Amino acid sequence: GAVVSQHPSRVICKSGTSVKIECRSLDFQATTMFWYRQFPKQSLMLMATSNEGSKATYEQGVEKDKFLINHASLTLSTLTVTSAHPEDSSFYICSARDLRQGSAYNSPLHFGNGTRLTVT
Amino acid sequence: QKEVEQNSGPLSVPEGAIASLNCTYSDRVSQSFFWYRQYSGKSPELIMSIYSNGDKEDGRFTAQLNKASQYVSLLIRDSQPSDSATYLCAVIFFSGGYNKLIFGAGTRLAVHP
Repeated sequence: GAVVSQHPSRVICKSGTSVKIECRSLDFQATTMFWYRQFPKQSLMLMATSNEGSKATYEQGVEKDKFLINHASLTLSTLTVTSAHPEDSSFYICSARDLRQGSAYNSPLHFGNGTRLTVT
Repeated sequence: QKEVEQNSGPLSVPEGAIASLNCTYSDRVSQSFFWYRQYSGKSPELIMSIYSNGDKEDGRFTAQLNKASQYVSLLIRDSQPSDSATYLCAVIFFSGGYNKLIFGAGTRLAVHP
């Protein structure tokens, strides 16, 4: 089955520093990956759509200069939280769609294990 | 505004009972619907997908879809304590040039022995 690997699983950083999170599709190619964020006791909120070879598209209210997304290859997308602040502490989850299981219109997303970011 | 609505719960059922989880969505043209389960501190895992009106069964799980009413549900038969988790309804919406998976707030299910 489709596997999405996300690293690191946990990170603690000081306010003002930057943190990079990697998301890899291990056994399939993903031209599009999706980044979600989840605050405690809330649902997953889509932050941005990562596109291989082109700019990411961000959801309304998400600062593109703060959350830098790079999708350099068909199997790797990275999210960099720049100048992190305590309010950025959250659970960040990447996902990808395995088009071997259907089309972009109907195939489910497979999720990485998530990265719990704590900014002190 | 693309929205997916769920009752946050908690829904408490005794072991062995049927748990019924409900979801409504805002976009009439949506065609693809999913139920995910999420344990605390973990990422979501896919339980079922459904695309056509009617029922779809997989083991103890049955998904039901009514596009006219814009309503999706999930039934869990013979509920077990290990089923205790948050169940997320998700719908694919086409927006900004992409098919995006949008989640409801989730319903917390507690199965007590």
